[in-house]
Amino acid sequence: GAGVSQTPSNKVTEKGKYVELRCDPISGHTALYWYRQSLGQGPEFLIYFQGTGAADDSGLPNDRFFAVRPEGSVSTLKIQRTERGDSAVYLCASASGLYNEQFFGPGTRLTVL
Amino acid sequence: AQSVSQHNHHVILSEAASLELGCNYSYGGTVNLFWYVQYPGQHLQLLLKYFSGDPLVKGIKGFEAEFIKSKFSFNLRKPSVQWSDTAEYFCAVRYNNAGNMLTFGGGTRLMVKP
Repeated sequence: GAGVSQTPSNKVTEKGKYVELRCDPISGHTALYWYRQSLGQGPEFLIYFQGTGAADDSGLPNDRFFAVRPEGSVSTLKIQRTERGDSAVYLCASASGLYNEQFFGPGTRLTVL
Repeated sequence: AQSVSQHNHHVILSEAASLELGCNYSYGGTVNLFWYVQYPGQHLQLLLKYFSGDPLVKGIKGFEAEFIKSKFSFNLRKPSVQWSDTAEYFCAVRYNNAGNMLTFGGGTRLMVKP
C-alpha cells in the first residue's frame, strides 16, 4: 500500500518568504507528526495531530511556524518569514493503532537562501 | 529535559564484523524504544521496537537490541554486517508520560567496507 508522501521533495526559497509543506499520511492513520531534521542531527519533534486537532504543538520553535490538518488527513506545515536557520529536512510521520508505530515519509528539504 | 544519546557518530566496519551501536536515554518513567534506519537516499524505516516483555528484541535483517532498564540503554547489535547495512541508524524513545512524540538520538553513520 501507499506510504506517507510529502511534497515538494525540495523547496528553495529566499529569506523572508512564506512556504507551505504538505504531508499525505497513510490512509486511515489518525495520528500525524511533523519533525525537523537539521544536518548531522536526529529528527526533532514539532507538532502532533490526533484527527483534526493539534494534540501537542510544544515543539514548534516560534510563532512563525503553524500547521493544520482540517479534514483529519492531509496536513500542511506553514512557515512565515523564513530565516536561513529554518533550512532543514521536514519529516512527516503517521501512525495508528494500539502501539502508535510511526511511519515516516521521505521528507521535504527546505533551503532558505 | 528528556534526551537520547548515541555515542558513536561514525562507525566503519568490514563485512562480517560484528556491530554494536550504543543508545542511552535519560530517565523519564515508562518508555517505548525504537531503532530506525535510513539507507542512502531513502526515508526512515523502522528496524525494531520494544514496548514490553522480553527485553531482547529481534528486528528485520538480522538486527536485535537489548533493553537494559538499569542502564537506561537500548543497544543495537548484529553479529555479522553486510555492505548493504551501510546507512544511518537512529535510536528513538517515546516517554509515555510526555505524549506520543519520539525523541531521537543524533544518529550513527555506519559504513561497511566490502
